Amino acid sequence: NAGVTQTPKFRVLKTGQSMTLLCAQDMNHEYMYWYRQDPGMGLRLIHYSVGEGTTAKGEVPDGYNVSRLKKQNFLLGLESAAPSQTSVYFCASSYEGARTGELFFGEGSRLTVL
Amino acid sequence: AQRVTQPEKLLSVFKGAPVELKCNYSYSGSPELFWYVQYSRQRLQLLLRHISRESIKGFTADLNKGETSFHLKKPFAQEEDSAMYYCALRKLGGADGLTFGKGTHLIIQP
Repeated sequence: NAGVTQTPKFRVLKTGQSMTLLCAQDMNHEYMYWYRQDPGMGLRLIHYSVGEGTTAKGEVPDGYNVSRLKKQNFLLGLESAAPSQTSVYFCASSYEGARTGELFFGEGSRLTVL
Repeated sequence: AQRVTQPEKLLSVFKGAPVELKCNYSYSGSPELFWYVQYSRQRLQLLLRHISRESIKGFTADLNKGETSFHLKKPFAQEEDSAMYYCALRKLGGADGLTFGKGTHLIIQP
């Protein structure tokens, strides 16, 4: 049982380049989330989705776009990467908006923007 | 807006000593509080939630609404408890996930 899978796990970009992070979950969860984790900042919510075809902004959405074309996938895009977007990105999924409080996390994707 | 504060970035205790990781929150409604843990090279995972009033791996946490706190405690620390610990809050009925604190790195010394 794979749970939540993120690809790629590591990526180095130059300023201005674009890329997409893919999150896939096989638990049939409705809700999916993208967080970024920075030293001393904890996890901050970028965007989230409450179902296929719907997305919403989180705490730090600027510079990112997302899409949820299929229930099992949640894509995070950077159109023009900036050094401030160097971070570890975590995808998570849950039943019904984390009603139980349990988010299932991926292993993380480490992005470096030079 | 809700906020979760973990005042200690790093906490180091000796094996067998008691552990208390502090968590304070601010939220105008009735929150749900959780502790998540991230062991080295593992995924972030749920440790415990306040509504369950459970003890997991010897850890307990009591929600104190008067002090707006949800401190995590364990009477006797073990080396395998070394990890990053995050306190998190969910707004009652909220669909937008959890708000996390900045985390506390717990190191258990032998």
